[in-house]
Amino acid sequence: GDSVTQMEGPVTLSEEAFLTINCTYTATGYPSLFWYVQYPGEGLQLLLKATKADDKGSNKGFEATYRKETTSFHLEKGSVQVSDSAVYFCALSGSTGGFKTIFGAGTRLFVKA
Amino acid sequence: NAGVTQTPKFQVLKTGQSMTLQCAQDMNHNSMYWYRQDPGMGLRLIYYSASEGTTDKGEVPNGYNVSRLNKREFSLRLESAAPSQTSVYFCASSGSGRVGPDTQYFGPGTRLTVL
Repeated sequence: GDSVTQMEGPVTLSEEAFLTINCTYTATGYPSLFWYVQYPGEGLQLLLKATKADDKGSNKGFEATYRKETTSFHLEKGSVQVSDSAVYFCALSGSTGGFKTIFGAGTRLFVKA
Repeated sequence: NAGVTQTPKFQVLKTGQSMTLQCAQDMNHNSMYWYRQDPGMGLRLIYYSASEGTTDKGEVPNGYNVSRLNKREFSLRLESAAPSQTSVYFCASSGSGRVGPDTQYFGPGTRLTVL
């Protein structure tokens, strides 16, 4: 079945450091790919998405590119801030029709001032 | 727009007690979902409702029941709570909109502890 694997955390960075969180997926069809973010005590919210191969999703300085050849959707940010401290979830949806979403286990990011 | 609302925010139950978690959305979404979140396991789908009047099992449905009361409301019931059901429960919805029908909107969650 479909699955999402993302790097284990926690990831601890200093402010202004470069961030990469790796995500790879397995899917039988052509899914949309997502990054969701969860701030402490809150529900998940969409950070960015990409719907087809070579699409780049971007939001709030974060970027991820849909790589079909490597089945990857790695999240990057050039300069993290303390306010980026959160849990980040990679996800896929729509592989075989319908809108059920498969989530990765989540990666916790701590950013130190 | 309140988005997705959930009640209660926190709940403590004793083993064997029952309770219903409530969820409502005001975005006119067709699809609604219940997840549980446990440390290191991401989100696991309990039940979902693709449209009003339909419900289907997700990955971990045992011990739960759901009701899609109308288009806005989707409740989750624990008939006889067990310690293994201690978790954070999230309701979500998806439907037409600027970001596409496959993007989910989440409520703030219910922290449930079963003693």
